[in-house]
Amino acid sequence: AQTVTQSQPEMSVQEAETVTLSCTYDTSESDYYLFWYKQPPSRQMILVIRQEAYKQQNATENRFSVNFQKAAKSFSLKISDSQLGDAAMYFCAYRSFLWGGAQKLVFGQGTRLTINP
Amino acid sequence: GAVVSQHPSRVICKSGTSVKIECRSLDFQATTMFWYRQFPKKSLMLMATSNEGSKATYEQGVEKDKFLINHASLTLSTLTVTSAHPEDSSFYICSASRRDRDTIYFGEGSWLTVV
Repeated sequence: AQTVTQSQPEMSVQEAETVTLSCTYDTSESDYYLFWYKQPPSRQMILVIRQEAYKQQNATENRFSVNFQKAAKSFSLKISDSQLGDAAMYFCAYRSFLWGGAQKLVFGQGTRLTINP
Repeated sequence: GAVVSQHPSRVICKSGTSVKIECRSLDFQATTMFWYRQFPKKSLMLMATSNEGSKATYEQGVEKDKFLINHASLTLSTLTVTSAHPEDSSFYICSASRRDRDTIYFGEGSWLTVV
């Protein structure tokens, strides 16, 4: 079974600075997806970024980028120019590439990010 | 964009009663939906996978008779908490799989309080 580990329960950063959230995972599959989700106080799950394991290039979405190290099974999220609206719980998640019952997302424990003004 | 709607967003029920939470995919057909439970300051815990027209697949440790899941159509899955107890109070989130976009969309979640 796949597992996802986020070793940082809490992180804080000054507004406008850069912060990196860590995530490691364990799987025996070669094809899969990795995600970062943001959960603000409203509890709505918001997709931040998605990475396909077969792609060597790291995904980027505006101020959000990932460092995907497939061999090391590491998938960190970098937030540049942090904004107050980035404050939230961040979850790293894994999904198998196969369709069918294997579509479920496996979540890490989450990292609570605080932005200091 | 694709939207998944959950209803109700908040519900309070008396201990011993049953309560139903609906999860609807508004603009796409979802052959698979997922139900999660989230405790305060914790991660999402998958309860079950719901496939249209068939029985749900429950995760280990989840009581099938207590958390009834029905996926009667391609746009609707329901979670019924039967004989609710205060310890069932939690935040419940559904998600729906859109196969043509290979994407999973989340509902807004439902707060259940059992008094």
